[in-house]
Amino acid sequence: DVKVTQSSRYLVKRTGEKVFLECVQDMDHENMFWYRQDPGLGLRLIYFSYDVKMKEKGDIPEGYSVSREKKERFSLILESASTNQTSMYLCASSTTAANYGYTFGSGTRLTVV
Amino acid sequence: DQQVKQNSPSLSVQEGRISILNCDYTNSMFDYFLWYKKYPAEGPTFLISISSIKDKNEDGRFTVFLNKSAKHLSLHIVPSQPGDSAVYFCAATETGGGADGLTFGKGTHLIIQP
Repeated sequence: DVKVTQSSRYLVKRTGEKVFLECVQDMDHENMFWYRQDPGLGLRLIYFSYDVKMKEKGDIPEGYSVSREKKERFSLILESASTNQTSMYLCASSTTAANYGYTFGSGTRLTVV
Repeated sequence: DQQVKQNSPSLSVQEGRISILNCDYTNSMFDYFLWYKKYPAEGPTFLISISSIKDKNEDGRFTVFLNKSAKHLSLHIVPSQPGDSAVYFCAATETGGGADGLTFGKGTHLIIQP
């Protein structure tokens, strides 16, 4: 069963901490994405990557960075966590041949206190 | 500028009746549309899609209709079941537009009442 795996389901971090959210996919997909989901705001794209070591800013990249050193792994980094980054974070992947066929991970609920 | 709009944040439907979820888009370059379903504490899962060369696609209880001239699509669920209670996201893309793929709406929370 193909999947996208996010390392943590729930995280609680303190303001100012550096936070790493990890995402791994086993489908050999070229494209990987990080979204956050907030009530009333839907899914907002933070960053995406279409190849190893490549990254592109999405709609809300401020306060975040990403790393893609291997094809299967895409990490989201909160350089200095703030309370307004409390959210559900969703990772997704897709293949360029069928770019619209996203597979999502189960999400990480991050709370910054 | 919101390119994909779901104007109903929530919708309540009685079990067994038809649920109709609506979605509007503004970008005329979009040519492929999808619906995703999301339960709490889970990632969205793909439900059904439609290409702009069609005006209807059906999969079991789920049918998506596309009106290109109105830039409007709708998802029909017949009959509605309790397990259909979830948040539904409409998404759109311009195929061949590159890796930045899908643009999502804000979602509609469907509640199926017994």
